[in-house]
Amino acid sequence: EVQLVESGGELVQPGGYLRLSCAASGFTFRTYAMHWVRQVVGKGLEYVSGISSSGSRTYYADSVKGRFAISRDNSLNMLYLQMGGLRGDDTAVYFCVRDRDSSGSYPSFEIWGHGTVVTVSS
Amino acid sequence: QSALTQPASVSGFPGQSITISCTGSTSDVGGYNYVSWYQHYPGKAPKLIIYDVNKRPSGLSSRFSGSKSGNTASLTISGLQAEDEADYYCCSYAGSDTVVVFGGGSRLTVL
Repeated sequence: EVQLVESGGELVQPGGYLRLSCAASGFTFRTYAMHWVRQVVGKGLEYVSGISSSGSRTYYADSVKGRFAISRDNSLNMLYLQMGGLRGDDTAVYFCVRDRDSSGSYPSFEIWGHGTVVTVSS
Repeated sequence: QSALTQPASVSGFPGQSITISCTGSTSDVGGYNYVSWYQHYPGKAPKLIIYDVNKRPSGLSSRFSGSKSGNTASLTISGLQAEDEADYYCCSYAGSDTVVVFGGGSRLTVL
């Protein structure tokens, strides 16, 4: 069974740091681009970041550029999102998402995890 | 405010067809054939139902179809069923800087 399981979400103070993880299973992880998409409770979806299958290309929404960093470990089937300079408007459910192909250049979000909750508050 | 505009709510009776619109600009919907649609039951993982404007993932019901005209993409669900009641989001590629933009979502109610 194809599965994505996020972890690492928690309450963090403004300006703080957090690392989200996503464990992938049931498919050949190294052949797919991966992304993070978030949803503020009661609001719509927002693209956060993406990475190609090899990790050579990364993509970021303007709202997180310079604060967040995406990475992957294909030997462990893991996706990560390092978040820094956290703000209140980063509060959201963060979904780990598998793309339909390897580049991630024109994303189609084929498989979604159930999400992990990040709350930024003092 | 979302980059793509969707109606907040749509409704229909079982067996009917409904269409959800998704309006953007020449920088996103109108400029590329990379529009996708997602079905989302609150509290669950979203599901891809249309990609590349009008393609369906393998195994997905043919009741779901997508199209595009100019800066507006559309999702049509035919033969409405109770289980179709969910939130639907459109998404479009928007260039190498922005990457993708989503619509604000449309809540489908099956009457």
